[in-house]
Amino acid sequence: AQSVTQPDIHITVSEGASLELRCNYSYGATPYLFWYVQSPGQGLQLLLKYFSGDTLVQGIKGFEAEFKRSQSSFNLRKPSVHWSDAAEYFCAVGAPLSNAGNMLTFGGGTRLMVKP
Amino acid sequence: DTAVSQTPKYLVTQMGNDKSIKCEQNLGHDTMYWYKQDSKKFLKIMFSYNNKELIINETVPNRFSPKSPDKAHLNLHINSLELGDSAVYFCASSQGAGLEAFFGQGTRLTVV
Repeated sequence: AQSVTQPDIHITVSEGASLELRCNYSYGATPYLFWYVQSPGQGLQLLLKYFSGDTLVQGIKGFEAEFKRSQSSFNLRKPSVHWSDAAEYFCAVGAPLSNAGNMLTFGGGTRLMVKP
Repeated sequence: DTAVSQTPKYLVTQMGNDKSIKCEQNLGHDTMYWYKQDSKKFLKIMFSYNNKELIINETVPNRFSPKSPDKAHLNLHINSLELGDSAVYFCASSQGAGLEAFFGQGTRLTVV
């Protein structure tokens, strides 16, 4: 069975500083990997995804993530954090369900706080 | 023009009651899901439906019964609500294997 670990429960960075959120996964095949963001009281918004090909993927809001198969990692990065980035971030691995969608297994989330 | 919409957004009810949460998606997706987010923010899949057919039932108590009248709707009915059912329930949809899921805004259920 697949699993996802986000080692950092909370991270605080200063506005303008760079950010890296860690994600490690366990999955028997080539993984489908996702990062979602959840703002307070909101649903989950997809930031970016990796299916195959280039291991560095670009997402919305200036985020990027790098897939490293040897380390079973899919870390999320942003060069300069904005106060509006404060939210909960979830890494997920997707297991295809025959021809019927995708079962997502989520990590425990990382809460990002941004200092002015 | 919301892609995945859930109602209600908040639901407060007493133990033992029966309640329903509705979900609709206008993305034309074939697959819909219910996820549960507990008080520690942990997200776990509950059900998956494809073209109105149940695909996944992740050891959810029988008190939870999803119903899909058509592929654009997946409702969640909960009987005999318990305190432990308090959580945020997210509906989602996707198209095709391996593709991303789009989530609704969530329904915060509080059982008192």
